[in-house]
Amino acid sequence: NAGVTQTPKFRVLKTGQSMTLLCAQDMNHEYMYWYRQDPGMGLRLIHYSVGEGTTAKGEVPDGYNVSRLKKQNFLLGLESAAPSQTSVYFCASSYRGIETQYFGPGTRLLVL
Amino acid sequence: RKEVEQDPGPFNVPEGATVAFNCTYSNSASQSFFWYRQDCRKEPKLLMSVYSSGNEDGRFTAQLNRASQYISLLIRDSKLSDSATYLCVVNGWGGSYIPTFGRGTSLIVHP
Repeated sequence: NAGVTQTPKFRVLKTGQSMTLLCAQDMNHEYMYWYRQDPGMGLRLIHYSVGEGTTAKGEVPDGYNVSRLKKQNFLLGLESAAPSQTSVYFCASSYRGIETQYFGPGTRLLVL
Repeated sequence: RKEVEQDPGPFNVPEGATVAFNCTYSNSASQSFFWYRQDCRKEPKLLMSVYSSGNEDGRFTAQLNRASQYISLLIRDSKLSDSATYLCVVNGWGGSYIPTFGRGTSLIVHP
């Protein structure tokens, strides 16, 4: 039981490049979330999903897209990376949303 | 006004001290409440859930006051290893369950 895993752990991008962050959970959770964390800003919700095939916007969705084709996976895409997207990205999952969230170890992204 | 507010600290306390954090929330319909701990550059991890009746886990006690809309965390006999950022999380229904995180309270326990 690996819990929540994230790939990659660290990435450097140039402005304008694209990439996909992968989040996987093996706990059969319905809800999955993508957050970014910046110094002094706390965790901010980018997008979330309440089940396979669903996605919804969070607090800061601009510049990101997501997909949940399989229940266990939640992908976060950056189509054209900008320096403002330099951050630590955390994925989380929760059984039905009201319970505890479990977080992945994070992806550190640097956009030059 | 942010939905969930915490004093960012840092709270700088000696080993063995008792320290308390509060967190206020604005949505009176909030349904579940948690304290998470986050170590530097690591992911947040659940410390404890918070119930109206209050709950205790070893040196940690959490309380919920729905009337005044705040939750609290009390740490007794602080250890060096308690140094971390403590995140308050409030979960409410807005068509689906969306947790709102406070910005965290930094605790530094020194010898």
